[in-house]
Amino acid sequence: QLQLQESGPGLVKPSETLSLTCTVSSGSIDRTTYYWGWIRQPPGKGLEWIGSIYYSGRAYYGPSLAGRGTIFVDKSNNQFSLKVAFVTAADTAMYFCARSLYHAPFDSWGQGIMVTVSS
Amino acid sequence: QPMLTQSSSASASLGSSVKLTCTLNNDYRNHIIAWHQQQTGKAPRYLMKVENNGRYTKGSGAPDRFSGSSSGADRYLTISNLQSEDEAEYFCETWDTDSRVFGGGTKLTVL
Repeated sequence: QLQLQESGPGLVKPSETLSLTCTVSSGSIDRTTYYWGWIRQPPGKGLEWIGSIYYSGRAYYGPSLAGRGTIFVDKSNNQFSLKVAFVTAADTAMYFCARSLYHAPFDSWGQGIMVTVSS
Repeated sequence: QPMLTQSSSASASLGSSVKLTCTLNNDYRNHIIAWHQQQTGKAPRYLMKVENNGRYTKGSGAPDRFSGSSSGADRYLTISNLQSEDEAEYFCETWDTDSRVFGGGTKLTVL
């Protein structure tokens, strides 16, 4: 069964860059049918789609990061990653990685990683 | 851009049924949506997708007590024979060519 696991720092200073990685197990990231996405959830709030990437590297993003986010694929390590530049306290959230087919729902989720932005 | 609207909260008694609603904006009234369950402190779990004709397809982890339906721009999640473990937040999701969006979530309390 496919498993996704987020990793990265739990604490980031304001104005720095947040880097998170999602490791995919029991399945190849290099499959033509799947998209890989990042979603975040600020404390006490709802889910916010950040962006998704195809194995080829084509990515598309939502408005939540206002152009500060980049998603990329590392096929050699079966991982995909998220970078968020110039973070502020508003980026404090639980970050989830997930898988979907094209034009289909996220059907597998990682357990999430809590990231706090604070000096 | 699709948008989804959900009531913020709902409640129902143990053993009863509850129907949660997710409403699409009018331009996207024929879109497929998905339902996800998020228990407190856990990751979301995919439950099912619901089409505009009322057909629904469950994910492997969705209990038999969960079903979907549709009417116009509304998509529904019905939970029968409510159990204590059904107390959770329920999010709907939809997508377009290069975008995805979630509803605000409905917090379900089992009385």
